[in-house]
Order: sequence, then C-alpha cells, then structure tokens
Amino acid sequence: SSELTQDPAVSVALGQTVRITCQGDSLRNYYASWYQQKPGQAPLLVIYGQNIRPSGIPDRFSGSSSGDTASLTITGTQAEDEADYYCNSRDGSAHHYVFGTGTKVTVL
Amino acid sequence: QVQLQESGPGLVKPSQTLSLTCSVSGDSISSGGYYWNWIRQHPGKGLEWIGYISYSGTTYSNPSLRSRVTISVDPSKNQLSLSLSSVTTADTAIYYCARAAPDAPMFRGVTLFFDSWGQGTLVTISS
Repeated sequence: SSELTQDPAVSVALGQTVRITCQGDSLRNYYASWYQQKPGQAPLLVIYGQNIRPSGIPDRFSGSSSGDTASLTITGTQAEDEADYYCNSRDGSAHHYVFGTGTKVTVL
Repeated sequence: QVQLQESGPGLVKPSQTLSLTCSVSGDSISSGGYYWNWIRQHPGKGLEWIGYISYSGTTYSNPSLRSRVTISVDPSKNQLSLSLSSVTTADTAIYYCARAAPDAPMFRGVTLFFDSWGQGTLVTISS
C-alpha cells in the first residue's frame, strides 16, 4: 500500500507563513485532503480537492499539489493554528485511504 | 448540520470482539452520496483509516485489518456500527466515526474527504 510522508514538526513565527508537505506516489493521481487536530479534539477538515476550504475555515489556509507532493500553506499564522496536521488520500486505484504521518505545527 | 456520536464499551478483553456504534443526527445515513467511515488513533500517534460503508452498502476496509473488520448500518436507527474481532492490546485507540463525501475533480481520480467527525471514543484492550 502507499504511504504519505510528512515532516514530523515545523515551527513558525506568529503572523508568518508555514508550508506543510505530504509526499506519496498516490498524490500524482489523487488530491489530498488536510485535517487539523488540536489536543483532545477530533480532526477538522481544512482543505480538500484542488484547493477548497469548507465553510468556516479561514482563507489563510490554502492547498496546492505538484507531482507526488501536496502542500498545505498557512499564511499569516495565528496562535490558534498550533495543532497537528494530517494529509489523507486514496491509496492508488484501491478503494482504501491512507493518512499521512502528521506534522506538529508550533507557533512561536 | 450532521452530528456523529460514538458509543460502546471503553474496556474490552484481549481475543474478544470490539463493537462500537455511531449515532448520526441531522442527516439520513441512507441518503445518497455519502460514505460512512471508521478511523482510529492509537494514543499519542497518527490517524489510521479502518474502513467505510457506502450509501449503497458497499464496504471497503484497510488491508491490514480486513479479516477482522465488519462495518454495517442500521437505517432504522440511523446508526453505523463497527465490529473488530480478535482484539489485542495493539487495538487500544480512540475510535472515530466520520462522514465522507466524494470529490471528483477534472484530471484527477475520484477520492473522498472526511467532512464530519464524531468526538471519538477511547477503547482500551486489557484483561
């Protein structure tokens, strides 16, 4: 099965921009979706498709994709954006799904 | 707005079967277009997709768990269920139910995104 690899941790200064990447072969054929998870809470969808934000998600969150890598960018990072972020995508042509390894974002 | 709520025993003995229920409100589990999932998270670890049942009743599950997983729905109760047999301590995790919708973009394959989640329920496997 495919794997989706993320950097374990990144840090960003308050108000600056951070990019979180997700790498995997399946991303050449399928878009990733992105989830924010704060301690003790369920994950929250923040981006899906080519670059679609669900209702209520601030426009500082954006997504992009190139080759085997998907990216989630937070522009003007706020303190409340400190969380774990996971990508997810379909595992090749099979009807099952894989989550990325997760990235912990720390806001300095 | 759809809401999902997991329920079930918090403690299960090794070798037994873990059974959880997800109650759905604000949407009919039988309505077309959605896929109903189970996802788990081992303590302090990442997310693991367990499987789904589609609106038409088709099920798919993680190959690593497939032989032990059964996912079903009870439309009369608007509930989703998970059964995981022969559990071990490695199955200790927070279990989430989640609704997924399809994304069918141009020039890319159809995939699902998980747009609504339950709060999760911790299941501990221990004798």
